[in-house]
Amino acid sequence: AQSVTQLDSQVPVFEEAPVELRCNYSSSVSVYLFWYVQYPNQGLQLLLKYLSGSTLVKGINGFEAEFNKSQTSFHLRKPSVHISDTAEYFCAVSDIKAAGNKLTFGGGTRVLVKP
Amino acid sequence: DAGITQSPRYKITETGRQVTLMCHQTWSHSYMFWYRQDLGHGLRLIYYSAAADITDKGEVPDGYVVSRSKTENFPLTLESATRSQTSVYFCASSATGGRTGELFFGEGSRLTVL
Repeated sequence: AQSVTQLDSQVPVFEEAPVELRCNYSSSVSVYLFWYVQYPNQGLQLLLKYLSGSTLVKGINGFEAEFNKSQTSFHLRKPSVHISDTAEYFCAVSDIKAAGNKLTFGGGTRVLVKP
Repeated sequence: DAGITQSPRYKITETGRQVTLMCHQTWSHSYMFWYRQDLGHGLRLIYYSAAADITDKGEVPDGYVVSRSKTENFPLTLESATRSQTSVYFCASSATGGRTGELFFGEGSRLTVL
C-alpha cells in the first residue's frame, strides 16, 4: 500500500514570491505521481503528472514539479505566484502495476496568496 | 453542456435516512469514481467503476452502495446515514482510469448528517 504526506497544511505567500509545496510518498513499488489543484468551491483539476522520462515536469499555470526517486519526493514549485493561485493543492500517487485504478491522495496544502 | 455534474450540491439529512447522490457525465468515460473529502484526510476513494455493471470497493466503502446501470450515471447511496458521513463528496470520471490518466471532477456535493 502507498501513502502520501504533504508536509505543510497551509502555506501563506506574498504575491510574486516563489512557492514550494512539499510531497513525500511511501511505496514499495514504482509509482506514477500527480498534482491536482482545487479552487474554492470547485472540483479538483489536474495540474501536472509524472509517468516516465524527465524528472522535471511542467504543468499548467507556470507550475512545475521534480520527481526525486531516492528521496521519494515530488515537490511542486512556482517561481512567482499570483492572487489567482490561492487554492488547495493535492499530491497523489498510483501504483504502476496495480490492477485497480486508484489514486491515493495526500491531505492537501492550502496556499493563500497575499497582496 | 458537456461535463460531469453532481446533484444535489448541498444536502442536509438526519441520522438513519437514506440519501442518494447523483453523478452524470457526458463524455462516455469508462471509469467513474466517488471520493469523500474530509479535513486532514484529503480525498479518500469510496467506490469506483471500470464500466457499466462493474464496480469495486475503494478505501472507505462501508455504509455506501453504488450502481452503474448506464455508462453516464454513477449514483452513490448512503443506506442509513450516520454523522460520520458528513463530508464533501466528489464524483470523477476518466477515459483511461485513475492510474495513468486524468480524472475529471464534479463540483462536489456537501452532505450534512444531523
